[in-house]
Parts: sequence; structure tokens; C-alpha cells
Amino acid sequence: AQRVTQPEKLLSVFKGAPVELKCNYSYSGSPELFWYVQYSRQRLQLLLRHISRESIKGFTADLNKGETSFHLKKPFAQEEDSAMYYCALGETSGSRLTFGEGTQLTVNP
Amino acid sequence: DVKVTQSSRYLVKRTGEKVFLECVQDMDHENMFWYRQDPGLGLRLIYFSYDVKMKEKGDIPEGYSVSREKKERFSLILESASTNQTSMYLCASRSGGANYEQFFGPGTRLTVL
Repeated sequence: AQRVTQPEKLLSVFKGAPVELKCNYSYSGSPELFWYVQYSRQRLQLLLRHISRESIKGFTADLNKGETSFHLKKPFAQEEDSAMYYCALGETSGSRLTFGEGTQLTVNP
Repeated sequence: DVKVTQSSRYLVKRTGEKVFLECVQDMDHENMFWYRQDPGLGLRLIYFSYDVKMKEKGDIPEGYSVSREKKERFSLILESASTNQTSMYLCASRSGGANYEQFFGPGTRLTVL
């Protein structure tokens, strides 16, 4: 069965510091990986997906199939990046997503 | 813009009551989902539907049922609410095909006393 693990429940950094949110997955097929974000009092929304290989709001994520990881990175954190971040895995032959436990990121001034 | 709406933002019910949570999407999406969101546990899939009158169990279906009589509406039913069903409930929808992006509603905070 597929599984997504985010080892850090809480992550706190200072503004301007680099940030990395970890995500590991287990899946026997070819995975589709995503990062979703939920800002305070807003609905959950897609941040980025590995297949598009794009940078959104300065965030990037590289799929490492050898390490089964999809870590989210940003070189210089901003206070507005403070939010809950969820890593998610999509099955290649289905419509459902499996989400990780989430990481609450706080960027301090 | 895709719009997913949920019938209530906050709901307080008593143990044993039958509870209905409603979700409506306006983008003609085939797939709809119900999750519960709990701190430290992330989002867990309760049920999903890939077509009208079609449903599949997710990871935690016990104590819940669903109904999808129309394409735009997906209802979550708690047959007999219990205190351990106190949670935030999120509805989502997505189109068919290879695009996995799910669009989420604002959530319903359910408290069972």
C-alpha cells in the first residue's frame, strides 16, 4: 500500500534562511507527487507537482526515486510562507491522493 | 475558478445524532472526495466517488456513508455521531483523466458532544 511520511510536524526558521520540508513515500508503481499548502484561514490548495517541474512562490521540489523522497525547498524563506504543508502521492491508475501528516512551517521575522 | 462549497462552516451535534455534510462543486468534475483533517494525522480519505451513484471506500470509512445522486453534489453521512468523529471535514473535487489536482472546499468543523 502507498504511504507518505513527513517526519517533521513543526518547523521553525528565520526570515531569509533556507527551508526544506521533508517528504518520503513508499509506492510500488510510478508515483505522481504533489505539495499542497494551507495558509491560515484559507482552504487547502495545490502548491506544485513534480511532473511540471516548475517553481511556485520560490519553492521547488525534486523527485528522487532512489531515495523515494520529494523534499520541498526554498532558498530564502519569507514570513508569508508560514503555513501547513502537505505532501501527497497520486496513484498512476486511480484518482485518489494519499497525504502525509503535514508540516507546520513558521517563518519568524 | 473552481468553486467547492460546503454547507456549514461549523456544526455542533450530540452523540447519536444523524449528521449530514453537504458538498457542491460547480465545475462538472467527475471525482469527489471526503477527508477528515486531524492534527498530526494529516488528511485521511473517508470515501470518494468517481461518478454519479458510484462510491468507493477510502482509508477510514467506518461510521460514515456517502451519497452522490447528482454530479455536482456529494454528501457525507454520519449515521450515529460519536465523539471520536469530532474533526475538520474537507470536501474536494477533480476532473477525470491524468490531472490530479484536487480543489478543496473551506471545510466543516464538526464537534460531537
